[in-house]
Amino acid sequence: GQQLNQSPQSMFIQEGEDVSMNCTSSSIFNTWLWYKQDPGEGPVLLIALYKAGELTSNGRLTAQFGITRKDSFLNISASIPSDVGIYFCAGLLNYGQNFVFGPGTRLSVLP
Amino acid sequence: NAGVTQTPKFQVLKTGQSMTLQCAQDMNHEYMSWYRQDPGMGLRLIHYSVGAGITDQGEVPNGYNVSRSTTEDFPLRLLSAAPSQTSVYFCASSYGTGSNQPQHFGDGTRLSIL
Repeated sequence: GQQLNQSPQSMFIQEGEDVSMNCTSSSIFNTWLWYKQDPGEGPVLLIALYKAGELTSNGRLTAQFGITRKDSFLNISASIPSDVGIYFCAGLLNYGQNFVFGPGTRLSVLP
Repeated sequence: NAGVTQTPKFQVLKTGQSMTLQCAQDMNHEYMSWYRQDPGMGLRLIHYSVGAGITDQGEVPNGYNVSRSTTEDFPLRLLSAAPSQTSVYFCASSYGTGSNQPQHFGDGTRLSIL
C-alpha cells in the first residue's frame, strides 16, 4: 500500500525550544491530518489540511499542506512538557479511500 | 457524549482462544474502522465499515472478522488468537462514507497473546 514517511523518528528537545517535523510521500494527497497520541491513549486530532499551500494554526501548533501535495509539516513553538507524545500524520489519496498513517515522530521534552 | 468507547482496555489470551473487542460510538457516524498499532509501524487498517450492514477489508484483515448490525457498534472478532496478533487495537469513527473527514479514536485495547 501507499507509505508515508515521518522524520525525525524521535527527538529530544529542551523545554521552550521550537520543534519541526515532516511527513513525506511519493504520492499526491488530497487531505493531510496531524494527530497526537499521549501514552496509553488514542490519537487525538490536532490539525486538518485540505488545500495545497494551506497553513493552519492551533495554539502553538502550525501545520502546512505542502505545495507539491506530497508532504506536510508540523511546527510546535515554545515546547512545554505536555507536548510529549507521538505525532502522527495521515494522508488521503482520493475520496472514497481510507486514510494512510505515517509511523509517527516521538517527541520528548527535557525540563 | 462519550465519543468512541472501546472495551476491554486490557486483555490477555492464550494462543487459539477467540474473543471480541467491542467498539461503540454515540456520534451517529457512518464510517467506523479498526486499526492495530505496532511499534514503529504506525496505524494499520484492519477492517472498516461505511454504514450498517456494510464492511470491507483493510490492509491487514487476516485473522479478524467484523460485522456492523447497527450504526453505533462495530465489534472486532479474533477467531483463533495467535502471538502475532499481540498489539494495541484502536477503533475510530467519522462522518460520511469515504469522505475526507478526520476520524475520532477510542483509547485502545491492549491485547497480549501468550
